Amino acid sequence: DAGVTQSPTHLIKTRGQQVTLRCSPISGHKSVSWYQQVLGQGPQFIFQYYEKEERGRGNFPDRFSARQFPNYSSELNVNALLLGDSALYLCASMRGSGNTGELFFGEGSRLTVL
Amino acid sequence: GENVEQHPSTLSVQEGDSAVIKCTYSDSASNYFPWYKQELGKGPQLIIDIRSNVGEKKDQRIAVTLNKTAKHFSLHITETQPEDSAVYFCAASGGGYQKVTFGTGTKLQVIP
Repeated sequence: DAGVTQSPTHLIKTRGQQVTLRCSPISGHKSVSWYQQVLGQGPQFIFQYYEKEERGRGNFPDRFSARQFPNYSSELNVNALLLGDSALYLCASMRGSGNTGELFFGEGSRLTVL
Repeated sequence: GENVEQHPSTLSVQEGDSAVIKCTYSDSASNYFPWYKQELGKGPQLIIDIRSNVGEKKDQRIAVTLNKTAKHFSLHITETQPEDSAVYFCAASGGGYQKVTFGTGTKLQVIP
């Protein structure tokens, strides 16, 4: 079975632009979470969606938004990009909605903001 | 919110030796403590986890211990191999949604 897939794998944007990142969870997984990983640090929680509903939001500004589609895929949008948004954006899926289970991560989308 | 501290940030061991990584957490409501391994260019992958009702768990060369009173947990890797070289993250979660708080990572280098 395919794992979590993310696109694009790499992208370069300039300050002020907008970006959309996409994620397809493992088949049968209804929960998708997004994490930001700055170089040399651990992933930081941005959003969690389950059955198309937002279940959690981390400490990120309103420039960050996300949604989940009926097929459980998800998009993360970031508006008005800042240099500090440069990071690896990770998507993770999980079968259930609880908080004690394995997160399956994709390989990430590496965003560079110039 | 939860805060997870992880030490050391880098660790070099000779092949065959043991490696220990330690973490502390702040939120007493946290009840699930996974450990993830991240290789270069890849996403984190779960290697072992422990729940708050268990003090120790072992899986072949990997073991994790949890001290709820002291709010710390540790990863032990025995008989290290070069393929164990990677960045390891501890994490903690609790509450009703899947917010997982990660530590800052330990870069483990196993020297052949």
